[in-house]
Amino acid sequence: DVKVTQSSRYLVKRTGEKVFLECVQDMDHENMFWYRQDPGLGLRLIYFSYDVKMKEKGDIPEGYSVSREKKERFSLILESASTNQTSMYLCASSSPGGRVEPQHFGDGTRLSIL
Amino acid sequence: AQSVAQPEDQVNVAEGNPLTVKCTYSVSGNPYLFWYVQYPNRGLQFLLKYITGDNLVKGSYGFEAEFNKSQTSFHLKKPSALVSDSALYFCAVRDQDFGNEKLTFGTGTRLTIIP
Repeated sequence: DVKVTQSSRYLVKRTGEKVFLECVQDMDHENMFWYRQDPGLGLRLIYFSYDVKMKEKGDIPEGYSVSREKKERFSLILESASTNQTSMYLCASSSPGGRVEPQHFGDGTRLSIL
Repeated sequence: AQSVAQPEDQVNVAEGNPLTVKCTYSVSGNPYLFWYVQYPNRGLQFLLKYITGDNLVKGSYGFEAEFNKSQTSFHLKKPSALVSDSALYFCAVRDQDFGNEKLTFGTGTRLTIIP
């Protein structure tokens, strides 16, 4: 089974801090994604990556950046955390190509910015 | 552009009754469609997908979904609901003709099965 591991289940940070959320997958997937989940808004894509050192903006990239130095690891960075970034953050991975494989999700990090 | 609508925030069904969770989509080309389920404090789990071919797709835990191109719908169904089916359900779409892997999710439907 694919395993996507997010380093923290719960995280509390202060406004203005630089915050790192880590995600590791064990299936050698090329594609990795970061979403945030808010009640009534569903999942919204922040950033995604098709390969090492490659990144593309999703629908809501403002206030975030990402890093992918190794294939298995995809980090989400909040450069200067703000209270409106309090949310559930979900990481996902998938393999590309014609078989249309589903994305596999981690259990999420519930981030609170005080 | 691609989008998904889940018109019901909440669906309540008695245990043993059939259930339906509705989803409609919009894409420029042809769709790939997915259903995911989320249990409390967990990530999303894949249930089933439509790529092409047979309009009735069968998935995990006895769920199935019917693709209807003319109505641009992909409703999730189960003949007999279990209390353990209570969860948050998400529909997602990806445009086949766009050549990227981006999924667009609906806002979710909370399904509650009443014993």
